Amino acid sequence: SQTIHQWPATLVQPVGSPLSLECTVEGTSNPNLYWYRQAAGRGLQLLFYSVGIGQISSEVPQNLSASRPQDRQFILSSKKLLLSDSGFYLCAWSVLDNWEQFFGPGTRLTVL
Amino acid sequence: DQQVKQNSPSLSVQEGRISILNCDYTNSMFDYFLWYKKYPAEGPTFLISISSIKDKNEDGRFTVFLNKSAKHLSLHIVPSQPGDSAVYFCAASVGQGKLIFGQGTELSVKP
Repeated sequence: SQTIHQWPATLVQPVGSPLSLECTVEGTSNPNLYWYRQAAGRGLQLLFYSVGIGQISSEVPQNLSASRPQDRQFILSSKKLLLSDSGFYLCAWSVLDNWEQFFGPGTRLTVL
Repeated sequence: DQQVKQNSPSLSVQEGRISILNCDYTNSMFDYFLWYKKYPAEGPTFLISISSIKDKNEDGRFTVFLNKSAKHLSLHIVPSQPGDSAVYFCAASVGQGKLIFGQGTELSVKP
């Protein structure tokens, strides 16, 4: 069966510090991968999605970036965090031509 | 521009009664709609979906209705149970495997 892992579960970082969140998927090949953010009181905002290794599409301009170094690994990064980067970050996967996305447990990021 | 809107941030229902969660959209090109359920500090889980060529889909206590002329969909939960208390997101497919989510409605089912 397929599983998706995200770490860390919670993270507290000072403004201006770097960020690296990792997501890995098991049990499937060549998945579509997604990064979402849920800010306080807001819905799920799609940040990045990837249809293959090295293929990243950005949905929202910001100081975040994403990379996909391996088929089932998706990384969300920032060189310098802003206060507005605080939120709940979710990684998700889907297979080609299937609308359903499967979400990881999420990372709660607090930038102080 | 919010293409998928859930205008009610919260809903409170008595156990055993019907819960109706609403969602409006603006893009008539959406071809598939989904509902997700989310508990605090967890990722959303898929609940039920409907294709744009249908107007109703039922799965146990959950039914989703789609009114394309009004660009409106709703999720009915009958009967509501305390374990249904969660945040519910509607989402619409824009192709290329991408979904656009609404802001969510927090459902509270009281015993």
